[in-house]
Amino acid sequence: DAGITQSPRHKVTETGTPVTLRCHQTENHRYMYWYRQDPGHGLRLIHYSYGVKDTDKGEVSDGYSVSRSKTEDFLLTLESATSSQTSVYFCAIAGTPGYGYTFGSGTRLTVV
Amino acid sequence: DQQVKQNSPSLSVQEGRISILNCDYTNSMFDYFLWYKKYPAEGPTFLISISSIKDKNEDGRFTVFLNKSAKHLSLHIVPSQPGDSAVYFCAASALNAGGTSYGKLTFGQGTILTVHP
Repeated sequence: DAGITQSPRHKVTETGTPVTLRCHQTENHRYMYWYRQDPGHGLRLIHYSYGVKDTDKGEVSDGYSVSRSKTEDFLLTLESATSSQTSVYFCAIAGTPGYGYTFGSGTRLTVV
Repeated sequence: DQQVKQNSPSLSVQEGRISILNCDYTNSMFDYFLWYKKYPAEGPTFLISISSIKDKNEDGRFTVFLNKSAKHLSLHIVPSQPGDSAVYFCAASALNAGGTSYGKLTFGQGTILTVHP
């Protein structure tokens, strides 16, 4: 979907290095979310935002931080990457909360 | 604590037959339920949803059934097609959770559906 893009699509990084993933939307939606997908766990919420500079933690937020300085961008940062953070990360946006999201194509992150 | 569970990791059906994917939830605050479909290397895409005030919602070949008393929902695909082969996630939200839900969705683990020609 052209309304939401994630970058990079793939990344390999070393343990202990900081990593930032970017989610960019052109829909002017208020709500943005970061999920990770792991086998056996489905999609789990990391952090979410309900407006510029308004963010909160999800169920698996340890080791992650986020920032949203403008409506269109939501950044996810791994302060010091660990192997347990190897995963596929999805960003999602919503205009009306709870009624479903539009997802980005994902970022596959490998921490070695 | 897995609040939304899909207990079948995989399902295999023949083309033209019915596919039934199941989902259970434990949180009684959930009042809106969705199904997403995911192909490899793509993000999940919305398929169909149902509000807790209904027990059935239909959209073409896809029907979702909700049994609130059992905290169970199911997705029926009739007839199944090879292009339906994908991972299916059920998800739930608490729309009326006092304004604090912020649209958070809780997802199940997913079920891999394979439709054989």
